[in-house]
Amino acid sequence: NAGVTQTPKFQVLKTGQSMTLQCAQDMNHEYMSWYRQDPGMGLRLIHYSVGAGITDQGEVPNGYNVSRSTTEDFPLRLLSAAPSQTSVYFCASSYGSPQIANYGYTFGSGTRLTVV
Amino acid sequence: RKEVEQDPGPFNVPEGATVAFNCTYSNSASQSFFWYRQDCRKEPKLLMSVYSSGNEDGRFTAQLNRASQYISLLIRDSKLSDSATYLCVVNGPHRSGTYKYIFGTGTRLKVLA
Repeated sequence: NAGVTQTPKFQVLKTGQSMTLQCAQDMNHEYMSWYRQDPGMGLRLIHYSVGAGITDQGEVPNGYNVSRSTTEDFPLRLLSAAPSQTSVYFCASSYGSPQIANYGYTFGSGTRLTVV
Repeated sequence: RKEVEQDPGPFNVPEGATVAFNCTYSNSASQSFFWYRQDCRKEPKLLMSVYSSGNEDGRFTAQLNRASQYISLLIRDSKLSDSATYLCVVNGPHRSGTYKYIFGTGTRLKVLA
């Protein structure tokens, strides 16, 4: 049981480049989300999905797109990378949405992205 | 006021000590509460959920005080391996009737030999 798999683990982009961060889970979780973690700011929600075909914006969605064509996969696309997007990105999944009490997250191992 | 606030620490404690962290949250509508552990340069991992009546898992005890809007984590008989950052997580309103998980910035614990 692999849990949540994120690729790549590290990435360096030039300003203006685009790329896709991959996330896959094999736990049949309906709820998936993307976070970024920056020093002193905690994890901030970028986008989330409550099931295949349904996505919505989080707190900091600008510059990012997502899609959810299957239950398993939830890729995050950076449209035109900027230095402000340098961060550690985590994908997470949960059996239920945050409205359902006490379903915690399983996180992927993260992607360290540097935009120069 | 931040939605979830934690003392960043670090808390430096000797092996075998008991240490406690608090976390305050601002939204009285929050219903779900968790403690996560995050090791340096690793992903957060769920340590325990926090229930209204308080709950215990081995050396770890979590409590919720709804009236004062805080949760706590008590670690007894600290081990070197407990050294990590502990994240407080609370659910809260996002928009259009949906909820999100809100993460604190974490409390760093260092257990010293």
